[in-house]
Amino acid sequence: AQTVTQSQPEMSVQEAETVTLSCTYDTSESDYYLFWYKQPPSRQMILVIRQEAYKQQNATENRFSVNFQKAAKSFSLKISDSQLGDAAMYFCAYRSARLSDMRFGAGTRLTVKP
Amino acid sequence: NAGVTQTPKFRILKIGQSMTLQCAQDMNHNYMYWYRQDPGMGLKLIYYSVGAGITDKGEVPNGYNVSRSTTEDFPLRLELAAPSQTSVYFCASSYSQGVYGYTFGSGTRLTVV
Repeated sequence: AQTVTQSQPEMSVQEAETVTLSCTYDTSESDYYLFWYKQPPSRQMILVIRQEAYKQQNATENRFSVNFQKAAKSFSLKISDSQLGDAAMYFCAYRSARLSDMRFGAGTRLTVKP
Repeated sequence: NAGVTQTPKFRILKIGQSMTLQCAQDMNHNYMYWYRQDPGMGLKLIYYSVGAGITDKGEVPNGYNVSRSTTEDFPLRLELAAPSQTSVYFCASSYSQGVYGYTFGSGTRLTVV
């Protein structure tokens, strides 16, 4: 079964600086999708960024970008110019192209210091 | 668009009681999902549905039941509530198999005492 591991339960960053959240996953499949979700205190799950495994180019959405290393099964999220509103839980997720189940990591709580 | 609507937002149940968590989406998504979120554990899939009349078990289905009589609605039934079912429950939906991600509801915090 696919598993997703986020090894950093908590991270902290100074406002306007850059932070990288780590995620690794275990799979024997070659076709899949990876996601980062943000969960602010409101509890709402918000999609931050998405990566298709067959695309080598790393996805970018404004201040958010990923470093996708398929061979290493690594999918880290970089947040540039951190803002106070970025403070939240961040979940890495894996979605097989074949199965109907998105697997989530345990999450990383990001604190942004003013 | 309202997206995915979950009710109630909070609920306290006594051990042995039953309840239904409601979920409705207005995006005409075929796929719908129920997850539970426990502290430090991420989200785990309880049940999912690929269309009206079709449901299947996820990773943690014990103690729950679902039905999908319409495309829009996907209620989750808890029978004989137990303290282990204290959690935050999320309903989600997706277009096709969700390769573009899921749209989540705002969650239901359930406490069983």
